[in-house]
Amino acid sequence: SSELTQDPAVSVALGQTVKITCQGDSLGSYYSSWYQQKPRQAPILVFYGRNNRPSGIPDRFSGSNSGNTASLTITGAQAEDEAEYYCSSRGSSGNQVIFGGGTKVTVL
Amino acid sequence: QVQLQESGPGLVKPSETLSLTCGVSGYSIRSGYFWAWIRQPPGKGLEWIGSMSHSGSTYYTPSLKSRVAISENTSKNQFSLKLTSVTAADTAIYYCARHEGLFLVALDYWGQGSLVTVSS
Repeated sequence: SSELTQDPAVSVALGQTVKITCQGDSLGSYYSSWYQQKPRQAPILVFYGRNNRPSGIPDRFSGSNSGNTASLTITGAQAEDEAEYYCSSRGSSGNQVIFGGGTKVTVL
Repeated sequence: QVQLQESGPGLVKPSETLSLTCGVSGYSIRSGYFWAWIRQPPGKGLEWIGSMSHSGSTYYTPSLKSRVAISENTSKNQFSLKLTSVTAADTAIYYCARHEGLFLVALDYWGQGSLVTVSS
């Protein structure tokens, strides 16, 4: 199928670690990318591929892949990490791009 | 520094055609990369609409393929989106963005977004 599934919401205590997951058939064949979106702002790329973090993204953001699941981990979450996070990958049914439904991360 | 900027009408009547343009600065769209449109209905998630390669090949999401067209204006370093026969369901923030390929899709630069409302 061409769907990516994310948990709708997750919370994390300030300074603790949170792992956001994304599941989908396409992730068994293609790497994922992860986007952070704060209210009234455009998404920004925070992690992609096997182990790529764009310039300027803090190293507390990391990613991993296992089978049909991709994960984004925030190690030592900060208040400014509170945002919606979306995963994305190439769709398994052709030249298309698919997004997960998003995970709202709340930093307590 | 690569920058993208969407422009176009903020209000479109039902059944008419939505037209948006993305101006790119800091990089020539003919030099490489793919150039994409993504939309986000109010309060909802992201939806990829389609992408155009630097050579002009286009790829569209199946659900919109019959109504959408992405084209380039290389003389102005712009690319455009046309979506025909719009309904209220097409009301969304429309973003343009850049990505390197279709195998690993990483949208590394985005415009700030343009809200388009479909209403009579």
